[in-house]
Amino acid sequence: NAGVMQNPRHLVRRRGQEARLRCSPMKGHSHVYWYRQLPEEGLKFMVYLQKENIIDESGMPKERFSAEFPKEGPSILRIQQVVRGDSAAYFCASSPRLGVGDTEAFFGQGTRLTVV
Amino acid sequence: AQKITQTQPGMFVQEKEAVTLDCTYDTSDQSYGLFWYKQPSSGEMIFLIYQGSYDEQNATEGRYSLNFQKARKSANLVISASQLGDSAMYFCAFAMNTGFQKLVFGTGTRLLVSP
Repeated sequence: NAGVMQNPRHLVRRRGQEARLRCSPMKGHSHVYWYRQLPEEGLKFMVYLQKENIIDESGMPKERFSAEFPKEGPSILRIQQVVRGDSAAYFCASSPRLGVGDTEAFFGQGTRLTVV
Repeated sequence: AQKITQTQPGMFVQEKEAVTLDCTYDTSDQSYGLFWYKQPSSGEMIFLIYQGSYDEQNATEGRYSLNFQKARKSANLVISASQLGDSAMYFCAFAMNTGFQKLVFGTGTRLLVSP
């Protein structure tokens, strides 16, 4: 059973371009979470999605950032018109159900976005 | 809002010795979970151990144990018999048991294990 898969692992974008980060949850998982880690900091929650629904986007910047988790395919975190401050590691996690427990604790390997 | 505090920016330990990494949290909720993650220099987040607020026993996973003191709101990670490969950043995280896993992370502790 493959873990949470994120791609690309590394992404370089020029200022003003769009960045698309993909997350394929573990098989059977219908809940996806995105986190951002700025350099030398801990992870910060961005958004929680279920299939075709955004449940909690309280951590998402108000502009330029969007997320989706379609019925088919991976979850996508999209950053439009990237700026240098968007440079960070973006992590995805998935879970099979609601609730908190050790089975819902696994992250993908992250996508490191560098804006030049 | 929940808050997680890791007061040790860096810790040093000699190989084969035990080390305790501190974590305190602030919440008025009764039902929650506490997590520890390891982040090596390669950058991935590796889940180590989980403690539920209603668990009566301290969690253990191999060389990792969680010293859970609910009244003091602390959830310290104990690594026994340190190995060179334990050198990494360690993050404590909190989640309310509200129905989904919205983790709040501490700022991390950098552990360096010396030979």
